Amino acid sequence: GAVVSQHPSRVICKSGTSVKIECRSLDFQATTMFWYRQFPKKSLMLMATSNEGSKATYEQGVEKDKFLINHASLTLSTLTVTSAHPEDSSFYICSTTQGEIQTQYFGPGTRLLVL
Amino acid sequence: GEDVEQSLFLSVREGDSSVINCTYTDSSSTYLYWYKQEPGAGLQLLTYIFSNMDMKQDQRLTVLLNKKDKHLSLRIADTQTGDSAIYFCAESIPGGYQKVTFGTGTKLQVIP
Repeated sequence: GAVVSQHPSRVICKSGTSVKIECRSLDFQATTMFWYRQFPKKSLMLMATSNEGSKATYEQGVEKDKFLINHASLTLSTLTVTSAHPEDSSFYICSTTQGEIQTQYFGPGTRLLVL
Repeated sequence: GEDVEQSLFLSVREGDSSVINCTYTDSSSTYLYWYKQEPGAGLQLLTYIFSNMDMKQDQRLTVLLNKKDKHLSLRIADTQTGDSAIYFCAESIPGGYQKVTFGTGTKLQVIP
């Protein structure tokens, strides 16, 4: 299956700053990547679908201007949390799909803590 | 609707079988999946079943699908301490881009 990496694995930042999270597909070209947010003891919430070379598709209730997604190449998608607030603290996970059965391959996640 | 629900917690003794249940509401789902998440890590696909199948077995894992009742279960035989994790069921919805809806997750605790 596909190998997906994320960087950084953990980040602590001050309120008002911006944080960029990278998601890389290491062994195949991913035209589509997904960004999820996971709250403690909760399921994954799909934030947006990242499409290579075009605008991301955001889920209802997710602020496009706050969570900027860029998918400039077939192996890299980035999520930038702009003007971070403590309520943005969460576990952010990216994934990509491969194959007919639409298996999702997940990155290891990024733990964001906004002070 | 796309609600996928699971019980929150399951505790079993090492060596016993574990059964994790999931209910979903979207009858048009094509594939249903079981993912495992260990602490602080991303999700790992365990197994999947196509929606026109009733059962799938893969070593210690058995997936049962009751499409009429929209009920999916995962049975883990001879549960080991290494099986302790959170298990998510998920369904893929056809149409548009590939969208997968995840369940609420079941935390499995294996007691030695």
